[in-house]
Formats: sequence, structure tokens, C-alpha cells
Amino acid sequence: DADVTQTPRNRITKTGKRIMLECSQTKGHDRMYWYRQDPGLGLRLIYYSFDVKDINKGEISDGYSVSRQAQAKFSLSLESAIPNQTALYFCATSDLVGSYNEQFFGPGTRLTVL
Amino acid sequence: AQSVTQLGSHVSVSEGALVLLRCNYSSSVPPYLFWYVQYPNQGLQLLLKYTTGATLVKGINGFEAEFKKSETSFHLTKPSAHMSDAAEYFCAVSDREGGSYIPTFGRGTSLIVHP
Repeated sequence: DADVTQTPRNRITKTGKRIMLECSQTKGHDRMYWYRQDPGLGLRLIYYSFDVKDINKGEISDGYSVSRQAQAKFSLSLESAIPNQTALYFCATSDLVGSYNEQFFGPGTRLTVL
Repeated sequence: AQSVTQLGSHVSVSEGALVLLRCNYSSSVPPYLFWYVQYPNQGLQLLLKYTTGATLVKGINGFEAEFKKSETSFHLTKPSAHMSDAAEYFCAVSDREGGSYIPTFGRGTSLIVHP
């Protein structure tokens, strides 16, 4: 079984719709992240959380919000989707102790906003 | 802020040829350094990392990278490319100072392997 799972894997939606992307992990890590991948731009950090009560904005948080429901669950919401939010979204986890914050990634969610 | 430069968005090699993917970082204090690989329709996975000690680091699938402080570089190499190496490769760095160790990723290099 995958250690980091993301649902849905693919989603097509329309401009103005509210969308939630979900991430679950069984690695027992405290740290969780949401990244966005665009061709030629690499990965950019949207939000990150170091524990259930800790939420931090990343490089490109405008237009997004997150919720850390439990140690194992971290959701990303687009309150009103727009076409330039079309991208591949990755959830990741890490455990700082001993691994220097190596990131463990989910399989990604491909989001298309029409 | 830390920055990472990957020279070449695409690198094309023949099967059996040397693979060289370049990565340079900007900080004056050497960071923690990582290479990740993304196969088609998958998430990223760690190839190798440098934290301390020996500057030549060996990773999975025959890849290795050498940290060169004087050149602020961490280039990825493989002596002989295989068709299965075709993927997107990302260099990432994390500052040793500050405490968060949040990584900064390069823009990625797509490795194309020709038969």
C-alpha cells in the first residue's frame, strides 16, 4: 500500500467552483506539504504544516487554503477555481529527525480548470 | 533566499552514454542537497542526498553526485544511460540554518534516452 495517497487523481472543474484535494499518509510523519508543479517551473510550495496546530504559507498561497484534520490528513482547497490553477498538485510528508527533511511524495492530482 | 539552477530543461543522450545533469545553488553556507526523480505519471522519489561527510554520494539505479563547495554545485551523473532512466530530475536544497529545512526545488531537467 502507498504511504502517501492523494484523492482524486484527476479532476476537471469549471471556473468559480470550490475544489478540495485530499492527502493521507501512513508514514507517521508530523510534517506535510502541498506543492504545485507546472511545466518548466518545477515544484513550488503552496502550504506546509509541521504539526496539527501549525499551518504556514508557502511561496504561492494566494487562492488556496488548507486544513490539517489530523496528523495523517492534510487537505488543500481552492475556494473559487480559476484556469491558471490548472496544474499537477503533490502532497508530501517528511520527518526531520535523521533524514534531513527528505520529502516523500504522493502520486499527484492532475487538476484542470476550464 | 536560496535558489537552485538546473542548467538545461532537456538533456538528450544515447543509451549507454554518460548522463550529466547540472545543479548549482546560491547560498554561501553549503546547504543539504538532494536529487529527486519523477517517472511518468508518478510522484517524486529520492535518488540521493548530501548532508555531510564524503562529497561523492551514491544513489539508487547507478546514479551518483558530487558536492563541490568551491563551485556551489551538485551535479548528477551516471556512467551508462538506460532507457528506463528517461524521467524528470529535480535538484533540491535545504538551508542548514534557520530550523525549518524547507526545500527549494530547481525547475527540473527532462532526461531523454535514445536507443
